[in-house]
Amino acid sequence: AQSVTQLDSQVPVFEEAPVELRCNYSSSVSVYLFWYVQYPNQGLQLLLKYLSGSTLVKGINGFEAEFNKSQTSFHLRKPSVHISDTAEYFCAVSGSNAGNNRKLIWGLGTSLAVNP
Amino acid sequence: EPEVTQTPSHQVTQMGQEVILRCVPISNHLYFYWYRQILGQKVEFLVSFYNNEISEKSEIFDDQFSVERPDGSNFTLKIRSTKLEDSAMYFCASKGQGEQYFGPGTRLTVT
Repeated sequence: AQSVTQLDSQVPVFEEAPVELRCNYSSSVSVYLFWYVQYPNQGLQLLLKYLSGSTLVKGINGFEAEFNKSQTSFHLRKPSVHISDTAEYFCAVSGSNAGNNRKLIWGLGTSLAVNP
Repeated sequence: EPEVTQTPSHQVTQMGQEVILRCVPISNHLYFYWYRQILGQKVEFLVSFYNNEISEKSEIFDDQFSVERPDGSNFTLKIRSTKLEDSAMYFCASKGQGEQYFGPGTRLTVT
């Protein structure tokens, strides 16, 4: 079984500042890792994913995340945020050996508020 | 770009009533999912569906819940007799060989 912990429920930041949203997971098997974003009144959109290979993955809108197996972390970063990045960010994990089914296990979410 | 759609966007129902939440997955996808998010809580997996049958379900998905793909395009979640604690945002997702794509959700309010 897997679980996901997002350590910060809210992150306020000023526009053009860097941001890091933290995610830790636990699992007894190898995992795939995901970050999804939810803008107000919209659905869940994939930002980026780690399946295998390079531990630094780049996603849409200038976001990137680094998979750290020893620390069981998958923190999301952006060097300079915009007002339009204000949204809820969810970290999710699935077992990599679950065949094609691969249900997602979710963190509680981090609310990123970018202020001018 | 193809997208997952869900209807209605908001459903209000009285306790004990049946509700059907509808989803239209992306047309060439084969795996379908329902998740829910109670206000202030985590997104939770409910059920996955493949090849016209449930492939996995959570302990939340009890006898009050059922899923169906009635016509090859829609994917529905039925709650037979709603309870107050069923109030949540319900997300449908579909998957081909890659990641899951999510619909915008249906907010279910049980009064």
